[in-house]
Amino acid sequence: ELKVEQNPLFLSMQEGKNYTIYCNYSTTSDRLYWYRQDPGKSLESLFVLLSNGAVKQEGRLMASLDTKARLSTLHITAAVHDLSATYFCAVGRTGANSKLTFGKGITLSVRP
Amino acid sequence: EAQVTQNPRYLITVTGKKLTVTCSQNMNHEYMSWYRQDPGLGLRQIYYSMNVEVTDKGDVPEGYKVSRKEKRNFPLILESPSPNQTSLYFCASTESGPPTYEQYFGPGTRLTVT
Repeated sequence: ELKVEQNPLFLSMQEGKNYTIYCNYSTTSDRLYWYRQDPGKSLESLFVLLSNGAVKQEGRLMASLDTKARLSTLHITAAVHDLSATYFCAVGRTGANSKLTFGKGITLSVRP
Repeated sequence: EAQVTQNPRYLITVTGKKLTVTCSQNMNHEYMSWYRQDPGLGLRQIYYSMNVEVTDKGDVPEGYKVSRKEKRNFPLILESPSPNQTSLYFCASTESGPPTYEQYFGPGTRLTVT
């Protein structure tokens, strides 16, 4: 059974500082997704990582994937209030099945 | 505009009263899914469909039914809702081709069963 773990589950961040959050998964997969969710809203796709060593950046967020360690990191540079949200990683199983297995999510709160 | 729509967005109902939540996508995707989101549990897949008339159970299918008579629509049916089905529900539509199989989520339906 594929399991996806995120930690920490809650992170209080100070504006201007850098942080890293983690996503571990238990079995081989060929794609990993990061989503953002604002309170009461749907999921917004941030990144899709497809191969070992993949790195993608958008603004203050940078995601990377290490398939050998079954680990993805989301690095936040100089946190700002607008980044306050819940971030989910999800792992897709190998093959055409569209099923995603989600982690429980990490809630980020940026304080002044 | 490419989108996934769900209706209703909010629903309060009573135990045992059958309900249907509709989902529609305009991207001609073959794959569609239903998820439920509960605090502290993330999203869990209820059912998915790989094409018209092809559906299968996800991780938490008990108490739910689905149908896929047309490619664009994938309704979620609760024949006899119970309070433990109070949740936030998302429909998702997935790109058909590799490599990303990116999923597009609907706006969500907040269901309360009393």
